[in-house]
Amino acid sequence: GESVGLHLPTLSVQEGDNSIINCAYSNSASDYFIWYKQESGKGPQFIIDIRSNMDKRQGQRVTVLLNKTVKHLSLQIAATQPGDSAVYFCAETPRYYQLIWGAGTKLIIKP
Amino acid sequence: NAGVMQNPRHLVRRRGQEARLRCSPMKGHSHVYWYRQLPEEGLKFMVYLQKENIIDESGMPKERFSAEFPKEGPSILRIQQVVRGDSAAYFCASSGLLGANEQFFGPGTRLTVL
Repeated sequence: GESVGLHLPTLSVQEGDNSIINCAYSNSASDYFIWYKQESGKGPQFIIDIRSNMDKRQGQRVTVLLNKTVKHLSLQIAATQPGDSAVYFCAETPRYYQLIWGAGTKLIIKP
Repeated sequence: NAGVMQNPRHLVRRRGQEARLRCSPMKGHSHVYWYRQLPEEGLKFMVYLQKENIIDESGMPKERFSAEFPKEGPSILRIQQVVRGDSAAYFCASSGLLGANEQFFGPGTRLTVL
């Protein structure tokens, strides 16, 4: 069936460096792609989204890139901080309300 | 304005018992979504409800699982005759508008079946 997957299950980054988390998706009909952050014991928290008619979107310290040719999504976090430690999920929306989630990438910040 | 509330936060049941998970959406939100998460995995969509209506239950097992969102009170996800495979974190999200990017998530209920 349709799925969203991530390349790296764990990413270890030095504090202050930039982090790049990657995601592959398979449903070319998806209209929205969303990145969530989930801290241990908590619910997912919206970070940033991007529509399928865009290739880049920037937020505060975060940038999402979308490459529809290769069905690839990435989340870039600038100047990574200890508070960025979490599991990051990408999700796609083949229907306007239904989220299909990837498996997650755990981001570890080294001091 | 409180966020999405879920209770209990942790629930332990023995095989064969019933589990009731509650979700109070954000004030003013009339769309509720339930998701299930196994350890080390992403969330899986279960059901989408509006007040008194089930809109999409395509992700919910046909047997033992049911959901409701009554006119008054919280949304309830009910699992009858629980089995060990039901152990997971169950998340509720709500939105005031229809759309995946408008969903706000609760802290989840962690169900453990002994």
